[in-house]
Amino acid sequence: KAGVTQTPRYLIKTRGQQVTLSCSPISGHRSVSWYQQTPGQGLQFLFEYFSETQRNKGNFPGRFSGRQFSNSRSEMNVSTLELGDSALYLCASSLEWGPSNLAKNIQYFGAGTRLSVL
Amino acid sequence: AQTVTQSQPEMSVQEAETVTLSCTYDTSESDYYLFWYKQPPSRQMILVIRQEAYKQQNATENRFSVNFQKAAKSFSLKISDSQLGDAAMYFCAYRRWSNSGYALNFGKGTSLLVTP
Repeated sequence: KAGVTQTPRYLIKTRGQQVTLSCSPISGHRSVSWYQQTPGQGLQFLFEYFSETQRNKGNFPGRFSGRQFSNSRSEMNVSTLELGDSALYLCASSLEWGPSNLAKNIQYFGAGTRLSVL
Repeated sequence: AQTVTQSQPEMSVQEAETVTLSCTYDTSESDYYLFWYKQPPSRQMILVIRQEAYKQQNATENRFSVNFQKAAKSFSLKISDSQLGDAAMYFCAYRRWSNSGYALNFGKGTSLLVTP
């Protein structure tokens, strides 16, 4: 079974541009979460999607947005890029979303997209 | 907000030896989950081991085991018979269900070096 696939692996953008990152979850997984990883702030939660609806959002400005499609694939978008947006963006998928058993809510991660803003 | 603290930025262990990575967390909840994830240079975050807070028995996965002390809010990871492939960043994470959904709260990580 294929794991979580994130594309592209690397991106270089300039300040003010916008960027879209893609995440394909493990087959059968219906929940997708996004995280930002930087050396200074570590791993920070961005948002979480289930059934095409955003279920939870971290403390990030409105320039960060996302969506989930009917096939559970997800995209995140960052508009008006700033130098501080340079980071590794990780996507994670899980079978379910909700207060069910832990096994169905364990998150499995992709290899990430490395975004560099110049 | 829940916080996760890993007090050891770097650790070193010799091959075949045992090492323990520390993690403490702050929460007022009684029902939650704890995880250790490994991130090698390839950047892929890999689940190492998990623990449900309501379970008193410590989780074990092959050479990896945890020491879960709920009252002390401590969740350490023990790696036995260390191998070169264990070299990576290790992240401790906390997750619980609330009306606003799930999110993983991560510690800052511990970089583990394994020497021959």
